[in-house]
Amino acid sequence: QVRLQQWGAGLLKPSETLSLTCAVYGAPFSHYFWNWVRQPPGKGLEWIGEINFDGGTKYNPSLKSRVTMSQDKSKNQFSLRLSSVTAADTAVYYCVRSRDKYYDLLTGIKFLDFWGQGTLVTVSS
Amino acid sequence: SSELTQDPAVSVALGQTVRITCQGDSIRNYFASWYQQKPGQAPLLLIYGKNDRPSGVPDRFSGSSSGNTASLTITGAQADDEADYYCSSRDSSGNPYVFGSGTKVTVL
Repeated sequence: QVRLQQWGAGLLKPSETLSLTCAVYGAPFSHYFWNWVRQPPGKGLEWIGEINFDGGTKYNPSLKSRVTMSQDKSKNQFSLRLSSVTAADTAVYYCVRSRDKYYDLLTGIKFLDFWGQGTLVTVSS
Repeated sequence: SSELTQDPAVSVALGQTVRITCQGDSIRNYFASWYQQKPGQAPLLLIYGKNDRPSGVPDRFSGSSSGNTASLTITGAQADDEADYYCSSRDSSGNPYVFGSGTKVTVL
């Protein structure tokens, strides 16, 4: 059974760096993409970024200047760092697995299939 | 602002059918996926692609797409289906995920 377990500091001051780690159980780390998604209290979902099995990354353009994702394949873990946080970064952060499905050579979809339990990160002075 | 537009809320009588829509230009070119989120829980993948369901998702959930609109249909809504529903697709720049603003479904 696939399980994602995440952890990290839940209370930060403005200008500090958010740091979260997610451990993957029950799935081969190298076969999938690994993402972070966040959700401000009472609001919708926002994709932060993904890291693939080769360490390649894609980030949401709105956060790209402050985001760094990394992975440790030996531990089946991946991590998120978000610098210079403000109150607007207060949210529940989820680590999420994603994968591709192709219907033919040109047609496919990427989707988010397993989610971690979420970590509430609050930014407050 | 979201590139995918969803109605904020819909209601459905127990056992009836409800359709939740997701509009956006990217839907013309890319498949959508749908997620269910109950209070205090992580989202759950319901539908992806042409109308695929992960193992364990009831077949009363189905997906479709036409033009710039993707739809999630719940046929025979149950009380347990009361939740927020989010669509997702690639955005117009090709980034892998943008989410709709979510639709709150109330089962009466």
